[in-house]
Amino acid sequence: TQLLEQSPQFLSIQEGENLTVYCNSSSVFSSLQWYRQEPGEGPVLLVTVVTGGEVKKLKRLTFQFGDARKDSSLHITAAQPGDTGLYLCAGASAAGNKLTFGGGTRVLVKP
Amino acid sequence: KAGVTQTPRYLIKTRGQQVTLSCSPISGHRSVSWYQQTPGQGLQFLFEYFSETQRNKGNFPGRFSGRQFSNSRSEMNVSTLELGDSALYLCASRRTGTGYNEKLFFGSGTQLSVL
Repeated sequence: TQLLEQSPQFLSIQEGENLTVYCNSSSVFSSLQWYRQEPGEGPVLLVTVVTGGEVKKLKRLTFQFGDARKDSSLHITAAQPGDTGLYLCAGASAAGNKLTFGGGTRVLVKP
Repeated sequence: KAGVTQTPRYLIKTRGQQVTLSCSPISGHRSVSWYQQTPGQGLQFLFEYFSETQRNKGNFPGRFSGRQFSNSRSEMNVSTLELGDSALYLCASRRTGTGYNEKLFFGSGTQLSVL
């Protein structure tokens, strides 16, 4: 069974600060997706990383896929209250037919 | 283009009852997956349907079942409800279902409370 561990589980920061969320596994994934979920809504895909060592930027968000494709990180620069939400990582199996979600990191950005 | 639509949004049932949840995928999407989300266990995969056939199944008891219709709409059923079945049930659709590098679109979910 492939497992994804996210850390920290909860993060509370002030507006303007930086934060990093980690997603780790002992398994190799063919790709890694990051989602953000707001209360009362379903997760929304932010990015998919596919290649080991890949770095993708989405405005103030930077996503990195580990060289061995077992871990990933999400870094937010100068966080804003609109970044508040539950961040989920999800790894796709080598066969590409199954998605495993991490437990999520709840981020609260206070104004 | 309408998103993934789930009905109902909220449901309250009592132990022992059964429940049916509905999901309409994005037009043109043929793959529909169902997930259970709870504070303790996070998002857990229930099953995936593609072209009316169940293609993948998670580790849930047989009380959880689903089906997909020819128009790609899907339903999931939970029989003999238990308190632990209280959760947000999320449906997600994708276009071709060929690998998870393809973008997955989630609905807003059905919040089920079992009393």
